[in-house]
Amino acid sequence: DIQMTQSPSSVSASVGDRVTITCRASQDISSWLAWYQQKPGKAPQLLIYSASSLQSGVPSRFSGSGFGTDFTLTISSLQPDDFATYYCQQSNSLPPTFGGGTKVEIK
Amino acid sequence: QVQLQESGPGLVKPSETLSLTCSVSGHSISSSPYYWGWIRQSPVKGLEWIASISDSGNTYFTPSLKSRVTISVDSSKNQFSLKLRSVTAADTALYYCARQFSWGRVMDVWGKGTTVAVSS
Repeated sequence: DIQMTQSPSSVSASVGDRVTITCRASQDISSWLAWYQQKPGKAPQLLIYSASSLQSGVPSRFSGSGFGTDFTLTISSLQPDDFATYYCQQSNSLPPTFGGGTKVEIK
Repeated sequence: QVQLQESGPGLVKPSETLSLTCSVSGHSISSSPYYWGWIRQSPVKGLEWIASISDSGNTYFTPSLKSRVTISVDSSKNQFSLKLRSVTAADTALYYCARQFSWGRVMDVWGKGTTVAVSS
């Protein structure tokens, strides 16, 4: 299985801040990476797929980049609704595997 | 608007079979190019993909659970189901069903989830 490692595990930030989360795959996954947002008591919600494609309805302040083994999710200007846990997931090969999550907390 | 809803018992005894159903509304489960799958989440293992079934009925399983898992579709009811046999406490988790694309590897619509505890 491909291992996905996220960092940091948590980040404290203020509204308006630029937040960057990184994800590293244990082997080359090309652009086959997705990002999800999960709020407490809710199911994960797809934000980005294919490393940089924004899912329909997702605000443009979210963006993704990367290729191969290293990827980044950026929130350009953090909004109150963005405080949540974010997960990366490789979609290169079965089984799809997730990172451990990054919790974005209010500073 | 596509919606998914999991249903099933919240408590299962060790060694028994966990059975869950996902009811889909707003989309025909037979329509290409989507797959349908199950994912679970626990504090110990985090998010874990379990299994998927394609629009043509092909099935895919995570290796660690393959020997215990069955996934099936009932097109007449627009539902799909999961069976996990011989459960242990390690199978206690929040179980989600989801619609998938990209050959079943990206989950774009999720159910709300259902908690299953394995305990005697």
